[in-house]
Amino acid sequence: QKEVEQNSGPLSVPEGAIASLNCTYSDRGSQSFFWYRQYSGKSPELIMSIYSNGDKEDGRFTAQLNKASQYVSLLIRDSQPSDSATYLCAVKRAGNMLTFGGGTRLMVKP
Amino acid sequence: DTGVSQNPRHKITKRGQNVTFRCDPISEHNRLYWYRQTLGQGPEFLTYFQNEAQLEKSRLLSDRFSAERPKGSFSTLEIQRTEQGDSAMYLCASSGGPNTGELFFGEGSRLTVL
Repeated sequence: QKEVEQNSGPLSVPEGAIASLNCTYSDRGSQSFFWYRQYSGKSPELIMSIYSNGDKEDGRFTAQLNKASQYVSLLIRDSQPSDSATYLCAVKRAGNMLTFGGGTRLMVKP
Repeated sequence: DTGVSQNPRHKITKRGQNVTFRCDPISEHNRLYWYRQTLGQGPEFLTYFQNEAQLEKSRLLSDRFSAERPKGSFSTLEIQRTEQGDSAMYLCASSGGPNTGELFFGEGSRLTVL
């Protein structure tokens, strides 16, 4: 079992719709959770972090964390073609190592 | 501040040769990470420095890989006796805030081993 699992996609949504990206993790000791966006040919960039159960909103992005279910999600409201990218879920346990999932490729169609 | 800088951006080498990559982190960041990424996969952790100390190293990291951060500023990643399986993007990231999962990545160094 991988430490951080994501559906590789592609997830295709129409412009203006809500995109829902999901991630599960195996280590119950995980403490911090992150979503990174990676455009094709570019390096990852941080878009959201979440540390406690519940929802965290930032503009069109909402991160959701459920530690009991070991589940993290990212919602993108009013999806735009510029949101088309690979979204990487990352998890940090104690220490400083960040473990990434394989990423979900999102395609937003005009 | 121009962000995290990596050199060279591209390296093509023959199997068995040694290669070295350099990373210059954001100047005030004391934490530096190396990751490796292959096509269609997420970044895979290689090693981590806090200042000049190498504090974590992946168990998957071959002895052919070595990293240094001699003065707590720039870092180098050397791969000895390269193999075709080493072909990947090598990403450097730095972090300086209290939230150690918030990484700032460089543009990466792409290695192709023929």
